[in-house]
Amino acid sequence: RKEVEQDPGPFNVPEGATVAFNCTYSNSASQSFFWYRQDCRKEPKLLMSVYSSGNEDGRFTAQLNRASQYISLLIRDSKLSDSATYLCVVTQPMDTGRRALTFGSGTRLQVQP
Amino acid sequence: DTGVSQDPRHKITKRGQNVTFRCDPISEHNRLYWYRQTLGQGPEFLTYFQNEAQLEKSRLLSDRFSAERPKGSFSTLEIQRTEQGDSAMYLCASSFGTDSYEQYFGPGTRLTVT
Repeated sequence: RKEVEQDPGPFNVPEGATVAFNCTYSNSASQSFFWYRQDCRKEPKLLMSVYSSGNEDGRFTAQLNRASQYISLLIRDSKLSDSATYLCVVTQPMDTGRRALTFGSGTRLQVQP
Repeated sequence: DTGVSQDPRHKITKRGQNVTFRCDPISEHNRLYWYRQTLGQGPEFLTYFQNEAQLEKSRLLSDRFSAERPKGSFSTLEIQRTEQGDSAMYLCASSFGTDSYEQYFGPGTRLTVT
């Protein structure tokens, strides 16, 4: 079983739609959680951190459910420029000394005019 | 441009040849990471440095792979006796401090082994 699992998509949605992605992780001790965005043939870029209390950044809302070990990303009012692959990322506890990011395979979003 | 830079951006090599990639992190970032990404997958961790010390290596980092960060600034990743399975995007990232997981990625080096 992969440490981080995501639906690869693609999710094809019209402009203005609301779309949600989920991600599950296997290690209950995972400490920090992020969503990264990766455009085609570009490097991943941090989109937002994910907190248990939920956090919002403009049209983007991220949520963490530790009990069920899943993370979600909600995008409201989709724009053409939101078309990208969204990577779910988890980390190991700080006291393990491990600092690597563990990525899911990504969910591809295509926003259509 | 003060972001992470990588060189070369593309490398085509024949199987069995050695290749070396360079990464220049954001200045003052003490941590530097190497990842590998293949088509349709997320980046996979290879190794990371804190200053010049290599603190963690993935089991993906076979004995044909070696990474260095001799002065705690730029880093090199060498692959010896390349195989077709080494074809991938090699990404470098850097971060600042000891408690931050926020990593900034470079544009990557795309390796094609023929």
